[in-house]
Amino acid sequence: DIVMTQSPDSLAVSLGARATINCKSSQSVLYSSNNKNYLAWYQQKPGQPPKLLLYWASTRESGVPDRFSGSGSGTDFTLTISSLQTEDVAVYYCQQYYSTPYIFGQGTKLEIK
Amino acid sequence: QVQLEQSGPGLVKPSQTLSLTCAISGDSVSNNSAAWNWIRQSPSRGLEWLGRTYYRSRWYNDYAVFVKSRITINPDTSKNQFSLHLNSVTPEDMAIYYCARSLSYYFYMDVWGKGATVTVSS
Repeated sequence: DIVMTQSPDSLAVSLGARATINCKSSQSVLYSSNNKNYLAWYQQKPGQPPKLLLYWASTRESGVPDRFSGSGSGTDFTLTISSLQTEDVAVYYCQQYYSTPYIFGQGTKLEIK
Repeated sequence: QVQLEQSGPGLVKPSQTLSLTCAISGDSVSNNSAAWNWIRQSPSRGLEWLGRTYYRSRWYNDYAVFVKSRITINPDTSKNQFSLHLNSVTPEDMAIYYCARSLSYYFYMDVWGKGATVTVSS
């Protein structure tokens, strides 16, 4: 199984500041035949299911604000929120879909400082 | 707009079978490019993908190894839904269970059900 490890486990950032969450996979999730990274990011607020933010490591889902961006390739990935808003308080998860079983990271809890 | 509506009992006795249903609107369980997944979430184990069903000229299932001996995911084309059955449940199976769609079999999950909380208790 591909293990996903996020850092940090929790993060407190001031309103308007940048937030950065890292995700590392135990093996590459880059599929060489199409040069795509099989990595998604989700946002989860209390009492709600996870919401897809980014896929292919860096493609924003429709309706997701452009302050959310993703980067990285192979085994190391980053989710960046360029200017933190109050509505961004949530837990964020990365997930690999390169192979089954699909594995999620343990989550990063993002709060306002 | 695709929506997934979950239903099923919230309380299951130990050693019995947990059964949940996910009704699909706006898509078809027989969509021969999509896959239909079950995921669960608990404080101790986080988000765990349990398995999926999908149709590619015939029906296929994939299951996570840690539940493979106890799980069945079935499509129901007449009702456009799919179901999860997990037998021999223990308190370790207490979680919020979600259904979700993937647009292909190695693909992100773009639509999720609201979740169903399952308690295992006598």
